[in-house]
Amino acid sequence: GDSVTQMEGPVTLSEEAFLTINCTYTATGYPSLFWYVQYPGEGLQLLLKATKADDKGSNKGFEATYRKETTSFHLEKGSVQVSDSAVYFCALRDGNQFYFGTGTSLTVIP
Amino acid sequence: DTAVSQTPKYLVTQMGNDKSIKCEQNLGHDTMYWYKQDSKKFLKIMFSYNNKELIINETVPNRFSPKSPDKAHLNLHINSLELGDSAVYFCASSQDWGISYEQYFGPGTRLTVT
Repeated sequence: GDSVTQMEGPVTLSEEAFLTINCTYTATGYPSLFWYVQYPGEGLQLLLKATKADDKGSNKGFEATYRKETTSFHLEKGSVQVSDSAVYFCALRDGNQFYFGTGTSLTVIP
Repeated sequence: DTAVSQTPKYLVTQMGNDKSIKCEQNLGHDTMYWYKQDSKKFLKIMFSYNNKELIINETVPNRFSPKSPDKAHLNLHINSLELGDSAVYFCASSQDWGISYEQYFGPGTRLTVT
């Protein structure tokens, strides 16, 4: 069946450091891929998405490219800020199937 | 102007009780969902309704019953609460059922069963 495997955290970075959070998936069909962010005490918010192979999703300096050949959708940001501290979820939608990764907690220190 | 709202935000109750969580979206979306997030932040879909029709009914105890009185509302009723039901429950909505549509999540309801 389908699944999402996400890099385990927690991740702690200094402000302006480069961020990568790895996400790989298995799917039987042609899924859409998403990154969601959850700030403390809040619900998940969409960060970016990609709906087909080679699509690049981007938002607020974050990017992820849908790589079918490596079944990956890694999240990257060139220079993180303290306000990026949150939990990040990789997610997959394949037909009637919804899968979320286990979440990666990011803390950015000044 | 909250897009997806849930009430209550916190719910503390005893084992064996029956409780409901309400969800409303003002986005005009056709599809709504209920998720359960456990203490390790693992998120699992429970139910989904599209145009008031039940589309997804994952393997959850039949003590959990969703009800959608109209497209803007999806409530979750839980009978005979158990300790293992303690979790954060999120309601979400999306414009339609298609796989490219992102979901908009409510703020969550933290349920604690004692």
